[in-house]
Amino acid sequence: GAVVSQHPSRVICKSGTSVKIECRSLDFQATTMFWYRQFPKKSLMLMATSNEGSKATYEQGVEKDKFLINHASLTLSTLTVTSAHPEDSSFYICSAKGVRWGYTFGSGTRLTVV
Amino acid sequence: AQRVTQPEKLLSVFKGAPVELKCNYSYSGSPELFWYVQYSRQRLQLLLRHISRESIKGFTADLNKGETSFHLKKPFAQEEDSAMYYCALSGLDQAGTALIFGKGTTLSVSS
Repeated sequence: GAVVSQHPSRVICKSGTSVKIECRSLDFQATTMFWYRQFPKKSLMLMATSNEGSKATYEQGVEKDKFLINHASLTLSTLTVTSAHPEDSSFYICSAKGVRWGYTFGSGTRLTVV
Repeated sequence: AQRVTQPEKLLSVFKGAPVELKCNYSYSGSPELFWYVQYSRQRLQLLLRHISRESIKGFTADLNKGETSFHLKKPFAQEEDSAMYYCALSGLDQAGTALIFGKGTTLSVSS
């Protein structure tokens, strides 16, 4: 089956620094990738949708300048949290959608901003 | 607007008891419904999709368009079923759209 690899699984950074999270689709091409944010014991909130080679579409209330998304190839999307602050601490999950495999999720990244 | 509602935050049952996790949705087009499961410290895994009409790990779900529901059922719960369950929706008529999730229901099965 399809596998999505997400790295890092955990990251701790200082307030004001930037953090990059990678999401790779293994063994399949992801025409579309999605980024979600999950608060403790809460649902997954869609942050943005990205299609390879085009700009990401952000959900209402998500700051595009803070959460930079790059989808440079059919197997890689990155989310960069710029100038991170403690309120950005959360669990970030990517999902990739391929033609054959439907939606596949990464294992998530626990971001802690101190 | 598209929305997925899971009214129960927590469902506690005893081993061997029947389980029904409720899910209602709101969508103006043709929806595709899914159930995902998240075991402790693991990634989200697809459990069911209404299109495939499969039964996975003894779970079934039927799409009821009249009631706009997609409840997840299992006749006899097992302890290993304890997990977080998310109902999700996407548009069959909109390729490339994201999954919209409900808030999730924690299923706790005890012996």
